[in-house]
Amino acid sequence: DVKVTQSSRYLVKRTGEKVFLECVQDMDHENMFWYRQDPGLGLRLIYFSYDVKMKEKGDIPEGYSVSREKKERFSLILESASTNQTSMYLCASQQGNQPQHFGDGTRLSIL
Amino acid sequence: AQKITQTQPGMFVQEKEAVTLDCTYDTSDQSYGLFWYKQPSSGEMIFLIYQGSYDEQNATEGRYSLNFQKARKSANLVISASQLGDSAMYFCAMRLGSARQLTFGSGTQLTVLP
Repeated sequence: DVKVTQSSRYLVKRTGEKVFLECVQDMDHENMFWYRQDPGLGLRLIYFSYDVKMKEKGDIPEGYSVSREKKERFSLILESASTNQTSMYLCASQQGNQPQHFGDGTRLSIL
Repeated sequence: AQKITQTQPGMFVQEKEAVTLDCTYDTSDQSYGLFWYKQPSSGEMIFLIYQGSYDEQNATEGRYSLNFQKARKSANLVISASQLGDSAMYFCAMRLGSARQLTFGSGTQLTVLP
């Protein structure tokens, strides 16, 4: 079974802080994704990566950046956290035509 | 741009009955795939079922089936013999052609009543 692990289930940070969300997958998948989930809006794609050091913007990249230095790890960075970035963040990995496999999510609160 | 619409924010169903969750999509592409995911209150997203645009048969996976009507651009999820454990948020999603990313609908919260 594919295992996608997000470093924290719950995280509380303050406005202006630099925040790192980490995601690790154990199946050597090429593609990795970061989404945020808000009530009534479903999941919206922030960034995705199709190889080490390769990334593409999703639908809502503003205020975020990503890093993929190793194939198994994909990090989401909030450069200067703001209260409107309080949300549920979901990481996923995927290979070929297979479905995306998701982590358990990180509930991030920015105070 | 592609779009997924789920018009039912919440649904209730009696245990052991069948329920249909609606999903319509909008794309001009001929090649695409449709996915359904389940998200229990614990938060993880669980893949349920997939339908390709060129698949002639409706997809089935155990108690889940996908009612695919291409001309109407609908891909409704049917859950037969509902169980209490089916209570969750359900998301419909679409992937175009060889693209990697998914576009999600806003979700339907299903509650199964004992």
